[in-house]
Amino acid sequence: DAGVTQSPTHLIKTRGQQVTLRCSPKSGHDTVSWYQQALGQGPQFIFQYYEEEERQRGNFPDRFSGHQFPNYSSELNVNALLLGDSALYLCASSRETSRDFGPGTRLTVL
Amino acid sequence: LAKTTQPISMDSYEGQEVNITCSHNNIATNDYITWYQQFPSQGPRFIIQGYKTKVTNEVASLFIPADRKSSTLSLPRVSLSDTAVYYCLVGVYNQGGKLIFGQGTELSVKP
Repeated sequence: DAGVTQSPTHLIKTRGQQVTLRCSPKSGHDTVSWYQQALGQGPQFIFQYYEEEERQRGNFPDRFSGHQFPNYSSELNVNALLLGDSALYLCASSRETSRDFGPGTRLTVL
Repeated sequence: LAKTTQPISMDSYEGQEVNITCSHNNIATNDYITWYQQFPSQGPRFIIQGYKTKVTNEVASLFIPADRKSSTLSLPRVSLSDTAVYYCLVGVYNQGGKLIFGQGTELSVKP
């Protein structure tokens, strides 16, 4: 049984570009949350999706948007990339009291 | 949500017991205390969760005093593979809601 998977593993973009990150939840999970983790810091909550709708949102600008598909998978989109968006982006899937994190996507903005 | 304070870093040697203490003076009545472990370039992994007194599983023990204003994660006989960042979280996390991470404690285990 595969856990949470994310793609791509690594990504390099330049300032002003747009990026899409993908997450497939663990089997049986129906909720997906996204976190941003800058180097040396703890993960910061971006937003959470359940039943294809954004349910909770952290303190992130509108440049960060997402989507959840009927199969519970999710995408994180970031527009107009800034150097400060360089980070490890983590996806966590959950259902009731079960929660698992994926390995993350390392985004580098040059 | 209650703020947590942990040491930034700790050093230990293989075979020793490691205790990481977390302060959470403003913990609410409904809050649980949860610890996560994170290796470089990996997602956090749940270690242990407790509400009061002592909780033990196959990986660690969690000690919570009566006033619940602090907690201690105890790792018995650490090995090199326990080198990681450990996060203490306080809140009501049993419904898949957002997690609030602090800076964590970077544990370095040496041979």
